[in-house]
Amino acid sequence: DTAVSQTPKYLVTQMGNDKSIKCEQNLGHDTMYWYKQDSKKFLKIMFSYNNKELIINETVPNRFSPKSPDKAHLNLHINSLELGDSAVYFCASSLRWNGEKLFFGSGTQLSVL
Amino acid sequence: GDSVTQMEGPVTLSEEAFLTINCTYTATGYPSLFWYVQYPGEGLQLLLKATKADDKGSNKGFEATYRKETTSFHLEKGSVQVSDSAVYFCALLNDYKLSFGAGTTVTVRA
Repeated sequence: DTAVSQTPKYLVTQMGNDKSIKCEQNLGHDTMYWYKQDSKKFLKIMFSYNNKELIINETVPNRFSPKSPDKAHLNLHINSLELGDSAVYFCASSLRWNGEKLFFGSGTQLSVL
Repeated sequence: GDSVTQMEGPVTLSEEAFLTINCTYTATGYPSLFWYVQYPGEGLQLLLKATKADDKGSNKGFEATYRKETTSFHLEKGSVQVSDSAVYFCALLNDYKLSFGAGTTVTVRA
């Protein structure tokens, strides 16, 4: 059983399109995250939700909108995709919102053409 | 703000060689320190952690000691295997926020 699963694994799309990435965790964790990893492997947090409430919202363009329908799901919707959005997006979860011991999904490779 | 600096890669080693990846940090207060590992095609997973000064984290033959006086948390392994080939991330947790270093790619050759 995959603990943190995200879909799709690969996403290739044109500039200007709108796309979504879904994430689900079956660990019973309270907190979920979205991270962006650039081509140099640098990881940067984008959002964090605790029990469906937004607790971290870093400097991310408004085109990125997270949605958490319940504490086991955190989806990421991106409007008007740009070339610079190409990256690997990782979903993660942790038992509590103290940020200790994150469990990561295997990533979504987004390529904007 | 908080930051983590780790040695740039890539690092290429032969099997059974000694591995060290340097990590230093800047933070206020008393952060917890972590090493995460990312194997090819996978997400990150926690390798080891230390929550206070002089603590030593260890796992799978890897070790790192929290040195407050030098603000460092260097990762070491005495004898690496091909299966240790991965990207290693040093991370700092402070005020419930986890900050990662830039990652160090390690390749171990048979």
